[in-house]
This record gives sequence, structure tokens and C-alpha cells, in this order.
Amino acid sequence: KAGVTQTPRYLIKTRGQQVTLSCSPISGHRSVSWYQQTPGQGLQFLFEYFSETQRNKGNFPGRFSGRQFSNSRSEMNVSTLELGDSALYLCASSWTGTSNTEAFFGQGTRLTVV
Amino acid sequence: KQEVTQIPAALSVPEGENLVLNCSFTDSAIYNLQWFRQDPGKGLTSLLLIQSSQREQTSGRLNASLDKSSGRSTLYIAASQPGDSATYLCAVRGRGQSGGSNYKLTFGKGTLLTVNP
Repeated sequence: KAGVTQTPRYLIKTRGQQVTLSCSPISGHRSVSWYQQTPGQGLQFLFEYFSETQRNKGNFPGRFSGRQFSNSRSEMNVSTLELGDSALYLCASSWTGTSNTEAFFGQGTRLTVV
Repeated sequence: KQEVTQIPAALSVPEGENLVLNCSFTDSAIYNLQWFRQDPGKGLTSLLLIQSSQREQTSGRLNASLDKSSGRSTLYIAASQPGDSATYLCAVRGRGQSGGSNYKLTFGKGTLLTVNP
């Protein structure tokens, strides 16, 4: 079956702009989580959506937001981009996102802010 | 706050060698632990999932163990091959900030493995 699909794979944006990233989870999975990966900080949790509701949130500024649609696809938006937002953004899909679930990741979106 | 540490940060071995990667975590109140592999510039591939009630899991040449009480996990790779070269990440699933029915993965920084032909 198809895996987790993230689009686009690469993005170059200018400081101050906004960007939207998309994630399509594995069919039947209802939980989508987003992570930011940078060389200095490693992988950090952004937020998690389940059944169109944000269920969990990490320690990121309000410029980072997301949403989930009725088909479980999720989008992440970053407004007023800063140079430090340059990172690999990874989306994880799981059936329920609860305690015993396994997470499957997409290939990521590489965002470069210039 | 959960913290995950992976040692060593980098490891270089000759082909055919057996090796062990280490992962430790500070809060033993975890629900499961996953080992992932990441190739340069790519996403994460799930290798093994160990539930908190389990002691080990095996898949092919990979064996992962979990000692929840001491906050440790190891990933054993047998008969390493050049194709095993990648970054290996350990992640634990625990409660989110607001508790309740939400959980998140906390990752270590990874071990960069190079297997030389």
C-alpha cells in the first residue's frame, strides 16, 4: 500500500513569506504528526492532528500552524518565515497515534529560507 | 521532560562486523520505543517497534532490546553490510504536554553508521 506522501519535496522561500506543506497519510491512518529536523536541534515535535482536531502541540511559536481535513490529509503552515526555519519537515502517520501505535514517516519537505 | 541520548554519535566499522548502538532515556514512563533508519536527505524508515511490555524484537539481522526500568535500549546489527550505512535514530513514545489521550515521539540525535567494504 502507498506510504506517507509529502509535497513538495523541496521549497525555497524568502524571509517574511509564508509557506504551506502537505502530508497525505497512509490509507486508514487518522493521526498525523509533524516534526522539524535541523542539524543542531535534531528532530523536534511540532503538533499532532487526529480526526481534524489538534490533539498535541510542541514548543514552537504561533507562526507554525496546521490543520487536518476529513480525509486525514494534513497541511502545515509557517508564516513570516525566518532564516532559522530552514529545515527538513517530516510528517508521521499512524493509525490512532495512541500509546502502542507505530509511526511511519514520509520523505520530508526540505525548506530553505533565504 | 524526556531526554533521549544516543551513543556513539558516529561509528565506522569494516563490513561483516557485528555492532551495537545504544539509546538511553531519562523518563521510564514510555509506551513504546522505535528504531528508525535515515539515509542522507531522506525521511525515516521504521526498523523495529518495541512495546513497553516487551523485552526485545527481531527483524532479519536486527535485534532491539528494551530495559524500561533502567531507561536503555540497544540495537544489534549482525554481519554489517555497506548498505547498512545510514543514521540510526531511537525514539520513545510518551505522554504529550497536556496529558490525556495524546502522545508524542521524543528522538535522540542519532548514530551515524559507516560500514566500510
